[in-house]
Order: sequence, then structure tokens, then C-alpha cells
Amino acid sequence: DAKTTQPPSMDCAEGRAANLPCNHSTISGNEYVYWYRQIHSQGPQYIIHGLKNNETNEMASLIITEDRKSSTLILPHATLRDTAVYYCIVRVERGYQKVTFGTGTKLQVIP
Amino acid sequence: KAGVTQTPRYLIKTRGQQVTLSCSPISGHRSVSWYQQTPGQGLQFLFEYFSETQRNKGNFPGRFSGRQFSNSRSEMNVSTLELGDSALYLCASSLARPSGIGGTQYFGPGTRLLVL
Repeated sequence: DAKTTQPPSMDCAEGRAANLPCNHSTISGNEYVYWYRQIHSQGPQYIIHGLKNNETNEMASLIITEDRKSSTLILPHATLRDTAVYYCIVRVERGYQKVTFGTGTKLQVIP
Repeated sequence: KAGVTQTPRYLIKTRGQQVTLSCSPISGHRSVSWYQQTPGQGLQFLFEYFSETQRNKGNFPGRFSGRQFSNSRSEMNVSTLELGDSALYLCASSLARPSGIGGTQYFGPGTRLLVL
């Protein structure tokens, strides 16, 4: 069973910030939150990950709540090329663990 | 640095046949995972290899098997193909440490298999 819950779809206007939520209420202390996206029929692309602090890279920002039960991926200025399915997963940094992808959020960026 | 490569990219087989898919991880990555993606079931974990040993296995029948070579390249095999095996098969690699695998996975473009 997927350990994360995401809304099935979201729309965002081009140029605006896209905020994608993820619920991971059963996350363990040693599990990181990872975000990937998949543009139609391509392999998933790594975006960002974090443990408990907020993270930012050239693609996005990741905000993790203090209790770590949920997180938000922020694309600061969405473009049409950001239209994709976004997956939030939890995974350990070290150890052996099955990875479960949920159904993800289909983000549609609208011109 | 070259990304994860998968061959072939497209494949058409008929029911009952068997198929072998290949994955070359990013240089220096020693862990390889395989996933099956279908419209109905989404992305499903097949198995993960590290140091030529299967470390984790998803809920797939024994017709699905894999192996990893000493150079970290991996193959997966599906025997006695069924129509439902039509899917995008994705390979992902990640760094591995002595304490175990995990961490960021980098995916290849996938092999699209069609079973007729």
C-alpha cells in the first residue's frame, strides 16, 4: 500500500506558483520525503528530497511540516513544461526497503 | 555523466514468449530497481538489486525475474508473456553505501513492451 496520499489533479496558471500537497502521516523517523515527476511516457525525474528541514534547489522548494506528516512541493513560477504527474514517496537513505509510488497528482499548467 | 540507459526502448512480443530487458545504471551507482507501469495499476515496484543480490521484491509472480552483473548492469526477464504484461518497464539506479541502499533514484526512459 502506498504510504503517501496526494490529490489526483490540480490546475495552475502559467507563471504562478504551483503548490502540490502530500500526506505521509505514517512516515518513520528515518524516512525521507522524495518528489519525482513524470512527463507523459518518460521515466520519472527526480526533483527534490528532504528529511525535516525545508529544502530548495533550482527546480523547486520542499516544505515539510514540523510533525513530518505532510509536505508541499512548490514550483515557484510554473511553466507549460511543468505539466506532468508529480509523485511524492517516502524512502530511507540507508537500508533495504520496498518503494511504493502512489497515484500522484496530475498538474496541468494553463496558459 | 550519462544517465540510466535501457534497451530496447520498444518491444512487441506475443503471448507465451519470453523477453529480456536490459538496464545500465549511472556510472558509480550500484543499486538497480525495476518498476512496471500500467495505466490501471500505476508504478509498481518489481525488485531491487545491489551487489548482484536481490534485496527486495514486489508482489509479482515468479514469471518475473532479474539479475545483476558485477558491473552493476541489470537484466529482467519475463517468461510466458501474458497480455497483461504490456507495460512500460522502468529501471532506476541509486548510489549504495556499505550500510545499505536507498536514497535518490534516477530513472531511465523505460522499455515499452506490447504483448499481442
